[in-house]
Amino acid sequence: QSALTQPPSASGSPGQSVTISCTGTSSDVGGHNYVSWYQQNPGKAPKLLIYEVTKRPSGVPDRFSGSKSGNTASLTVSGLQAEDEADFYCCSYAGSNTYVFGTGTKVAVL
Amino acid sequence: EVQLVESGGELVQPGGSLRLSCAASGFTFGDYRMSWVRQAPGKGLEWVADIRQGAGEKSYVNSVKGRFTISRDNAKNSMFLQMSSLRAEDSAVYFCARGISGSFDRWGQGTLVTVSS
Repeated sequence: QSALTQPPSASGSPGQSVTISCTGTSSDVGGHNYVSWYQQNPGKAPKLLIYEVTKRPSGVPDRFSGSKSGNTASLTVSGLQAEDEADFYCCSYAGSNTYVFGTGTKVAVL
Repeated sequence: EVQLVESGGELVQPGGSLRLSCAASGFTFGDYRMSWVRQAPGKGLEWVADIRQGAGEKSYVNSVKGRFTISRDNAKNSMFLQMSSLRAEDSAVYFCARGISGSFDRWGQGTLVTVSS
């Protein structure tokens, strides 16, 4: 049950794209198509952005997209906006009804 | 509107016990699995425990096994986390989250648990 590995920080200028990686193992990210991504603003609850690797809940802009290759999942934020500045977390199902979150990435909009 | 409201967090001494509650509204509570997720001050999210719709299946992160017990009362649209033998490292904001398709689509605002003497 080790946390998934994310880069501590990422940044981009408005309008640019930023991609956040999320590396796990064959027991979690690589073994299941239940990877999700969350955005969290300071002092607030997390918000679901992506589920089942690539799917977006209604209301989430299509600027947010997810993918996976092997044991690494990725979240891409296209057309960066100032409001995207936040902490982002990945999460994966890890078998036996357990889940594991990533270490988190702070995204800055320059 | 879906709402999840946590309560029960407070200052407790090491070794003490606490019971957190999560009151749900705006959806058919019994149709969803539910989880507790915590966040220590300035740290990342950590999944803590999960309970299936019928309450028969429960799962925990290794660090709380044997100390925490998750439960639910579908008739009262509520979920609980009984915490015992609390340690300083259990100090965190505890979120209640609704589970679907391997993700957590609705979250409460959290309740703060502080373990300190």
